[in-house]
Amino acid sequence: NAGVTQTPKFRVLKTGQSMTLLCAQDMNHEYMYWYRQDPGMGLRLIHYSVGEGTTAKGEVPDGYNVSRLKKQNFLLGLESAAPSQTSVYFCASSFQSNEQFFGPGTRLTVL
Amino acid sequence: AQSVTQLDSQVPVFEEAPVELRCNYSSSVSVYLFWYVQYPNQGLQLLLKYLSGSTLVKGINGFEAEFNKSQTSFHLRKPSVHISDTAEYFCAVLVLLDMRFGAGTRLTVKP
Repeated sequence: NAGVTQTPKFRVLKTGQSMTLLCAQDMNHEYMYWYRQDPGMGLRLIHYSVGEGTTAKGEVPDGYNVSRLKKQNFLLGLESAAPSQTSVYFCASSFQSNEQFFGPGTRLTVL
Repeated sequence: AQSVTQLDSQVPVFEEAPVELRCNYSSSVSVYLFWYVQYPNQGLQLLLKYLSGSTLVKGINGFEAEFNKSQTSFHLRKPSVHISDTAEYFCAVLVLLDMRFGAGTRLTVKP
């Protein structure tokens, strides 16, 4: 099993550009999450999903949108990227409200 | 909402010495508690978790943690560290689907 995978691993954007980060899991987990990690701040939850077709806001949702069209995939979108969105983005999944399994991360730089 | 405070941002220690990484949390409801480890340029890996039952929890790589409800703490310990334990360690508290992370403690093990 690959576990949780993220695409791409690195990306550089210009201010105002849009992009989508893809997260995939092969563990048949119901719950999926998107976090951002910034120095000295730990991880902060952006959005999460409790099942196919459902999404909800986390702690820092502004500037991001998500979609969960298939159970195994969770997409994070930036419609108009800003320098403040420069960060490392982690996707995670869990079977229940319990241990979360993390992907390797996507390093995004917005110039 | 719940919150987590990791009391030390950096902990340097010599190889084979004991180490304690401190974590305090605040919450008005019952919580689940976790310690994750992050090696450079990687995602987070679960070290151990407290869901219920015994307050002393043993995890991977010789780590253990003790849940202290009265002091709202969940400190991580290892009796003898190795060079390979050098990493960033995150304490996290979970209420329903809302996982909050501490800012992290960078453990550096010196020869």
